Amino acid sequence: DAGVTQSPTHLIKTRGQQVTLRCSPKSGHDTVSWYQQALGQGPQFIFQYYEEEERQRGNFPDRFSGHQFPNYSSELNVNALLLGDSALYLCASSYFRDHGDEQYFGPGTRLTVT
Amino acid sequence: GIQVEQSPPDLILQEGANSTLRCNFSDSVNNLQWFHQNPWGQLINLFYIPSGTKQNGRLSATTVATERYSLLYISSSQTTDSGVYFCAVEQGGYSTLTFGKGTMLLVSP
Repeated sequence: DAGVTQSPTHLIKTRGQQVTLRCSPKSGHDTVSWYQQALGQGPQFIFQYYEEEERQRGNFPDRFSGHQFPNYSSELNVNALLLGDSALYLCASSYFRDHGDEQYFGPGTRLTVT
Repeated sequence: GIQVEQSPPDLILQEGANSTLRCNFSDSVNNLQWFHQNPWGQLINLFYIPSGTKQNGRLSATTVATERYSLLYISSSQTTDSGVYFCAVEQGGYSTLTFGKGTMLLVSP
């Protein structure tokens, strides 16, 4: 049973560039959430995708956008990168039942903006 | 929004010692999860425990939802237990988690 996978593992970008991160959910899961974890902090919720639509969004600017594909995989796009976007980006998947679904996380993508 | 506070922020133990980590939350929740984040950043599921008590080997957890706290017990700690332990809660129905700041645990041989 494959767990949540993310790519790439590491990424270095320059200020102002754009980046795309990818996530494949755990087998049988249909919901994907993205989180940003700055150094020394807990993960912060960015947004969640279900049925190919953004269902909920945290307090992140429009530079952060995403997509979910029919096979439930997802992408996170960040435009006009800032130094402050340097962080570990985590993807979580779950099977939507109503509420309180257990979340499973991928290994993360470490983004460095120089 | 909901506040999640974890204590202690840092903990240093000798191998073989026991410890208790605490998570307080400010409102009722649908879900509470405990995670262990290893040095490579991977969040490993420890417990899904919106209420009650669960045990898994040397680890156990108790959530008292009515009093808005959860405890994670680690017994006979090992060096591989080192890392950051996060408590995360969900409320509102969309399974989005709010995390505490974590407890950094260092177990020395």
